[in-house]
Amino acid sequence: DAGITQSPRHKVTETGTPVTLRCHQTENHRYMYWYRQDPGHGLRLIHYSYGVKDTDKGEVSDGYSVSRSKTEDFLLTLESATSSQTSVYFCAISESGGDTEAFFGQGTRLTVV
Amino acid sequence: GEDVEQSLFLSVREGDSSVINCTYTDSSSTYLYWYKQEPGAGLQLLTYIFSNMDMKQDQRLTVLLNKKDKHLSLRIADTQTGDSAIYFCAERSSASKIIFGSGTRLSIRP
Repeated sequence: DAGITQSPRHKVTETGTPVTLRCHQTENHRYMYWYRQDPGHGLRLIHYSYGVKDTDKGEVSDGYSVSRSKTEDFLLTLESATSSQTSVYFCAISESGGDTEAFFGQGTRLTVV
Repeated sequence: GEDVEQSLFLSVREGDSSVINCTYTDSSSTYLYWYKQEPGAGLQLLTYIFSNMDMKQDQRLTVLLNKKDKHLSLRIADTQTGDSAIYFCAERSSASKIIFGSGTRLSIRP
């Protein structure tokens, strides 16, 4: 597997609390992505980054923010978690924007109660 | 906007061929991918095809691309029980986003 580590792997949190998920890579890839996976919806893009401090929204960005202060780390923050954000979150990395595959982390299962 | 559609389920008999279909909307997609996800795991790239190709073969896998109809298919020859998984079609859009379909769950009958 490519060097991608997601932390935590599992988390249970209460509605209204802030939550930060971390994606760490050792591949020095430029592009990083956050997806959520829900039954019947496949993977939906939340936010992505194309460089340090360069981020953009995906299709389901409401309620989420991201930061990329270093090449190796891409943080996903839920400012005030809601039950609809219960999901499995996957981070992915890609060396370039147009011609390479994306490698995926093992996922973080987040439950908001 | 970008959208990728695929059917949710497919059941085939062991030893038969499986064909998983996908349609996409972004005509400027550069690469199209097939990923496999086994239970409890992340996604693993199976194969990909560049948008100027119409076919790619890799051992038991054959990818067909009809760019005019924006239709992509994955054929798995001699399907085995180990092929049971969810298969995701994905496109690399012109904005460098990777957009996934909802996944097709492939189940194998003895």
